[in-house]
Amino acid sequence: EVQLVQSGAEVKKPGESLKISCKGSGYSFTSYWIGWVRQMPGKGLEWMGIIYPGDSDTRYSPSFQGQVTISADKSISTAYLQWSSLKASDTAMYYCARLGSSGGGFDYWGQGTLVTVSS
Amino acid sequence: DIVMTQTPLSLSVTPGQPASISCKSSQSLLHSDGKTYLYWYLQKPGQPPQLLIYEVSNRFSGVPDRFSGSGSGTDFTLKISRVEAEDVGVYYCMQSIQLPPTFGGGTKVEIK
Repeated sequence: EVQLVQSGAEVKKPGESLKISCKGSGYSFTSYWIGWVRQMPGKGLEWMGIIYPGDSDTRYSPSFQGQVTISADKSISTAYLQWSSLKASDTAMYYCARLGSSGGGFDYWGQGTLVTVSS
Repeated sequence: DIVMTQTPLSLSVTPGQPASISCKSSQSLLHSDGKTYLYWYLQKPGQPPQLLIYEVSNRFSGVPDRFSGSGSGTDFTLKISRVEAEDVGVYYCMQSIQLPPTFGGGTKVEIK
């Protein structure tokens, strides 16, 4: 069974750094792209970027390029999303998801990690 | 970026009745490889999105056959033949022919 399990909710202050994780299991982690999707409170879905854990090839949405860093550690089947300096506007639910074998859409999703940034 | 426009914004449906959601893209989603990169997701309350339909009309594993997708080019439709209580939530279309993939604004479906 394919599973993506994300790290728990975080409460941070503006300016702090953060790294959240997404652990894949039940499939060959290095053979599928993993992506991150943001959902701000009460809003829709925004595609942030994807990484191919096999070779760490990474693509970002221009809206998120330079704002976050996506990485992966294939030895432990885990992808990461990190911020060096959080802003209040980063408050959102963040989902990781696996890109399906057809290469276009996300087929399996993590449960989400709620990030709250508040002074 | 490709703009995805969904209508209606919300839908209230009697159980057992059909429902239909439209999604229009600002550019054709037909790729030179012959595939059309249009997907449908359902986000049930308090849950992550789940894939319903991929490449316009293919039901994902485990998706009931009351869900169907159709369309081509820039115009797409998701139909639920007989709405059930478990179908409540927000439905999103998404394109991935061009980076960055973009989602429609969502259609909220509720039960009357």
